[in-house]
Amino acid sequence: DVVLTPTPPSLSVTPGQPASISCKSSHSLLHSDGNTYLYWFLQKPGQSPQLLIYEVFKRFSGAPDRFSGSGSGTNFTLKISRVEAEDVGTYYCMQSIQLPFTFGPGIKVDIK
Amino acid sequence: EVQLVESGGGLVKPGGSLRLSCAASGFDFNTYTMNWVRQAPGKDLEWVSSISSGSDYIYYADSVRGRFSISRDNAKNSLFLQMSSLGPEDTGMYYCLKASPFDYWGQGALVIVSS
Repeated sequence: DVVLTPTPPSLSVTPGQPASISCKSSHSLLHSDGNTYLYWFLQKPGQSPQLLIYEVFKRFSGAPDRFSGSGSGTNFTLKISRVEAEDVGTYYCMQSIQLPFTFGPGIKVDIK
Repeated sequence: EVQLVESGGGLVKPGGSLRLSCAASGFDFNTYTMNWVRQAPGKDLEWVSSISSGSDYIYYADSVRGRFSISRDNAKNSLFLQMSSLGPEDTGMYYCLKASPFDYWGQGALVIVSS
């Protein structure tokens, strides 16, 4: 199975400041079709997960533009340009290049 | 507006069965692969199963293969998960999820396996 390892395991952020979290994959997520199947989700407390970024850097239409994704192969990063209070929750990276689809352990983000 | 609404969750005894449903609306259901993802209380997300748009391709996590069965009714815009031989490890919230790119999730159906 593809193992996803996010870092750091938790993060306290200051509103208005940037923040970033990383996700390292045990296998390359680059598909032969040229796409890289790495996703970022945010699960706010008491809610269902919501898609932020798909295929590494493509922002979902419902996600604020302060979120951006980057990376390639096995190393990926989610950046928040200016953290807002509503960004608290648990962040997950996920891969869909290989079955079983796997999620990394959640990264808990709270506000300082 | 895309909506996914799960139903059928509840309390079931170990060894019992349960059938989850997911009613989809707001998109062309019959053209998308659909998934089930679950989350044990206080734990991380776990992919459970996928079914292609025409039900040609079906996949399961090792943890549920042989006990769970995914199906869909494109005429009724509905996704199903038949769960049997349930154990306490199957307790959690079960989410219906549209793919790709995994952009819409339901609110979840809570399954509790306990005697």
